[in-house]
Amino acid sequence: GAVVSQHPSRVICKSGTSVKIECRSLDFQATTMFWYRQFPKQSLMLMATSNEGSKATYEQGVEKDKFLINHASLTLSTLTVTSAHPEDSSFYICSARDPGTVYGYTFGSGTRLTVV
Amino acid sequence: DQQVKQNSPSLSVQEGRISILNCDYTNSMFDYFLWYKKYPAEGPTFLISISSIKDKNEDGRFTVFLNKSAKHLSLHIVPSQPGDSAVYFCAASARDFGNEKLTFGTGTRLTIIP
Repeated sequence: GAVVSQHPSRVICKSGTSVKIECRSLDFQATTMFWYRQFPKQSLMLMATSNEGSKATYEQGVEKDKFLINHASLTLSTLTVTSAHPEDSSFYICSARDPGTVYGYTFGSGTRLTVV
Repeated sequence: DQQVKQNSPSLSVQEGRISILNCDYTNSMFDYFLWYKKYPAEGPTFLISISSIKDKNEDGRFTVFLNKSAKHLSLHIVPSQPGDSAVYFCAASARDFGNEKLTFGTGTRLTIIP
């Protein structure tokens, strides 16, 4: 089946620094990728929809200048958390739409971000 | 505004018995529903889905039932196995309306008791 690779799996950074998370579709082309955030014991909240070659579409309440998304190729989308603060600590997960499958959504393994 | 709700945060079931996980939604535009299984610090894994034109879909031990009039769906796992212990999320999208975004429920932690 379709595989989405997400790196790093966990990262610890200092307040004020930026962190980049990569999401790659390994065996298919993903024109659309989705970025989610999950707080402990809560649901996955969609942050933005990333479209290859165009600007990402952000959900209401998500700061686009803080969470920079780049989808420069059909197999790679990146999420950069800029000037990270402790409240940005969370579990970030990417997902890709795979048109070749019935269910159509494949998730990465997630990135645990801790800002200290 | 939680458009997809899973009112039971946790559920414990004896091994071999049936596990029933419930999900309610409020947005009538949702036309495609999915169930995902998730372990801590991992991404969700797809289990089963159902389109709004159906009321039942079965795949091995997993069956999803959809009641459109009640805006309710349920996932049945039978027989339950210890490896089924995880958090289960239902998700919905409005595909036919051109919206592929998934809206997730709050999850139900299923524990299978050996």
